[in-house]
Amino acid sequence: SAVISQKPSRDICQRGTSLTIQCQVDSQVTMMFWYRQQPGQSLTLIATANQGSEATYESGFVIDKFPISRPNLTFSTLTVSNMSPEDSSIYLCSVAREFSGNTIYFGEGSWLTVV
Amino acid sequence: QKEVEQDPGPLSVPEGAIVSLNCTYSNSAFQYFMWYRQYSRKGPELLMYTYSSGNKEDGRFTAQVDKSSKYISLFIRDSQPSDSATYLCAMKHTGANSKLTFGKGITLSVRP
Repeated sequence: SAVISQKPSRDICQRGTSLTIQCQVDSQVTMMFWYRQQPGQSLTLIATANQGSEATYESGFVIDKFPISRPNLTFSTLTVSNMSPEDSSIYLCSVAREFSGNTIYFGEGSWLTVV
Repeated sequence: QKEVEQDPGPLSVPEGAIVSLNCTYSNSAFQYFMWYRQYSRKGPELLMYTYSSGNKEDGRFTAQVDKSSKYISLFIRDSQPSDSATYLCAMKHTGANSKLTFGKGITLSVRP
């Protein structure tokens, strides 16, 4: 498995502000992903974080709203910009290891509440 | 039709019961099948991972895949209160770049 640390674990944010979530993995991984889990819902992929290049976003998610960085093979950030109450969700970092690309692990999540 | 359908739940069983959790899918390109367990206010934990049709056993857990019927199941034997959680099925195409597609999840409660 992989040890995936996310910060912050939870936060209460004011409407209109932005928050950056950090994801740190204990060893190099090939693929890093960001998911959103809205209350009572399943997981939805936001984007794939690509090392050294722009993230690949899923339909319905845009870079202006969810800018992502991945400066190296163990770290990524997701920013939730100009937040509204609809952005209240769990945001999850997940990884796939090299040579085990079909096994995907998740961090503990960052629980954001926008007021 | 959604790509992955999961029995909606919630499901409540007495301790010691055998639990059967099921998902169906429509996309025959899915080749890898996973079950995740998610405790309240925690991230999903990979429970079982299977590739081929048939059964895979790990302790009290058995994952079953029937590709011809596009149907997967997770069986929990001798269920314990500690098994109370949300269970999510997930699947993906071949290739490390392909994304996971999740079922909606089912919340299981095991009564002591």
